[in-house]
Amino acid sequence: QQPVQSPQAVILREGEDAVINCSSSKALYSVHWYRQKHGEAPVFLMILLKGGEQKGHDKISASFNEKKQQSSLYLTASQLSYSGTYFCGTVTGTASKLTFGTGTRLQVTL
Amino acid sequence: DGGITQSPKYLFRKEGQNVTLSCEQNLNHDAMYWYRQDPGQGLRLIYYSQIVNDFQKGDIAEGYSVSREKKESFPLTVTSAQKNPTAFYLCASSTTRVRDRGYNDYGYTFGSGTRLTVV
Repeated sequence: QQPVQSPQAVILREGEDAVINCSSSKALYSVHWYRQKHGEAPVFLMILLKGGEQKGHDKISASFNEKKQQSSLYLTASQLSYSGTYFCGTVTGTASKLTFGTGTRLQVTL
Repeated sequence: DGGITQSPKYLFRKEGQNVTLSCEQNLNHDAMYWYRQDPGQGLRLIYYSQIVNDFQKGDIAEGYSVSREKKESFPLTVTSAQKNPTAFYLCASSTTRVRDRGYNDYGYTFGSGTRLTVV
């Protein structure tokens, strides 16, 4: 099954923070996060492995709660360049294939 | 620079015709994937391959076929059996290497996609 993302869409003013959640009904081996701009290919942001780690670079970070089978992406002090659709992708087995969520459309305005 | 090349960027075909989408990578990645994206929706896995001459069906393989004769290439054929082929098709690749600590934390690299329109 596809992981469920929430919210489906969010509009922010530049400088505001946002949280995007990804929830799975299956036990997770790892969670990926990608950002896709309109008409372009998704770009890899980060991966979190089971073990409950947290990661981040610049003002984008993520956490992974293995017991709850959930991951959250945190965007702080958002910039216009953060606009796009964010997808989580989950790995539930030994094969490296990703199952992507339905996406969260994020728009940052002035 | 290494990357994934998908061609063509736009493709128009008549209903009932088979069409093949090209995907080539020079990243030396073992694994390759095909995803389909419909407007406002996520990516759905069509086929994937983790090694040359071997591939597995994804979640929506009906009406599609693939081959993996070379490590660098993973073409996708959209057959006339695919009921609704108009979509944005994305090819991706990843390494299957694990780090010293025994895990793979590498992401996917995507191509720029092929937008297929069947009329």
